[in-house]
Amino acid sequence: NAGVTQTPKFRILKIGQSMTLQCAQDMNHNYMYWYRQDPGMGLKLIYYSVGAGITDKGEVPNGYNVSRSTTEDFPLRLELAAPSQTSVYFCASSYPTRDSTDTQYFGPGTRLTVL
Amino acid sequence: AQKITQTQPGMFVQEKEAVTLDCTYDTSDQSYGLFWYKQPSSGEMIFLIYQGSYDEQNATEGRYSLNFQKARKSANLVISASQLGDSAMYFCAMSPPMASGSARQLTFGSGTQLTVLP
Repeated sequence: NAGVTQTPKFRILKIGQSMTLQCAQDMNHNYMYWYRQDPGMGLKLIYYSVGAGITDKGEVPNGYNVSRSTTEDFPLRLELAAPSQTSVYFCASSYPTRDSTDTQYFGPGTRLTVL
Repeated sequence: AQKITQTQPGMFVQEKEAVTLDCTYDTSDQSYGLFWYKQPSSGEMIFLIYQGSYDEQNATEGRYSLNFQKARKSANLVISASQLGDSAMYFCAMSPPMASGSARQLTFGSGTQLTVLP
């Protein structure tokens, strides 16, 4: 299993440009998440999905969009990139396990700089 | 709302010694999960250990153990016999109760940078 994969690893955007961050998992996990990590901070949730066709907003959704057409893929779309979106983006996936909880497994991250 | 507090921005430990990383949390939920993740300088987030709020025993995973004190709302990570490879940022995180069909978003603390000295 490759686990959670993310592409690209690095990207530089100009203000106003758009891009899609790709995320895929091969563990057949129902739940997928997008987080951002600003320098020296913990992760903040952008969007999440409980299954194909179902998405919901997290703590910091403004400026982003997501879709979930398959169980495996959960792309994050940035429209009109702004310097405030400079961050490291992590995708994660999980499946309910013991004690009615779930452990989230993270991809390697995408480092995005908006200039 | 849930909140995680990690009050130690940086910690140093001598190789082969034990170290405790502090984590306190705040929630009104009766059921929740507590997690620790390791983030080395390469940037990936590595799951270390999980503790459920109803677990009576402290969780252990190899050299990692979670000192769970529910009444004090603390979930400290103990690393025994530190190794140079343990140098990394460590994040405490919390998840809310699981509702049917919903995901459990993690709330993260600000992290503790651990440096293991040779």
